[in-house]
Amino acid sequence: QVQLVESGGGVVQPGRSLTLSCAASGFTFRSYAIHWVRQAPGKELEWVAVVTYGGSSMYYADSVKGRFTVSKDTATNTAYLQMKNLTIEDTAIYFCTREKGRLFDYWGQGTLVTVSS
Amino acid sequence: EIVMTQSPATLSVSPGESATLSCRASQSITSSLAWFQQKPGQPPRLLIYGASTRAPDIPARFSGSGSGTEFTLTVSGLQSEDFAVYYCQQYNNWPPPWTFGQGTKLEIK
Repeated sequence: QVQLVESGGGVVQPGRSLTLSCAASGFTFRSYAIHWVRQAPGKELEWVAVVTYGGSSMYYADSVKGRFTVSKDTATNTAYLQMKNLTIEDTAIYFCTREKGRLFDYWGQGTLVTVSS
Repeated sequence: EIVMTQSPATLSVSPGESATLSCRASQSITSSLAWFQQKPGQPPRLLIYGASTRAPDIPARFSGSGSGTEFTLTVSGLQSEDFAVYYCQQYNNWPPPWTFGQGTKLEIK
């Protein structure tokens, strides 16, 4: 069965960096784009970034452009979200989700990132 | 960026009754609209795509309608497990951003 498992969240000080991982199983990882969506505590969902199925193209929300980098490793079936220069506004649960035909059909359980001094 | 606006913010309905949730896009998105259900501590779950097509294993009591800028999710015969937060999301353009509404909380009356 399709599974996405995020890891790497934690508490980090403003201005520091953190890398999240999304381990995928149960499907042909190289054939699907992977998106990251975040949700601040008690808030709505916010699309963050996407890496296309081949890993050659990446797109970002304006709020993270220049600070976040998304990638995927088809050898290990893992997607990554590198986050730099974190701010308090980046505090959220970060979900990875598989895109099938523009649809987010499977989601991970999420990993919590807390940016605090 | 396309802005998605949901109403109402909170909807109180009794079990067994029907609930109608609305979603408006700031510009036409044709039928490129999905609905998600989210329960506390869980990721979103895809309910509806293409504005009106139910995702696999989604009960028939969930139905979606609309096109262009106005969309509706109807939940008929509400069951206890249906009380949750519902989000609409547009995926009209490539590349993203694909934006979400702010959510409607469906609560037990």
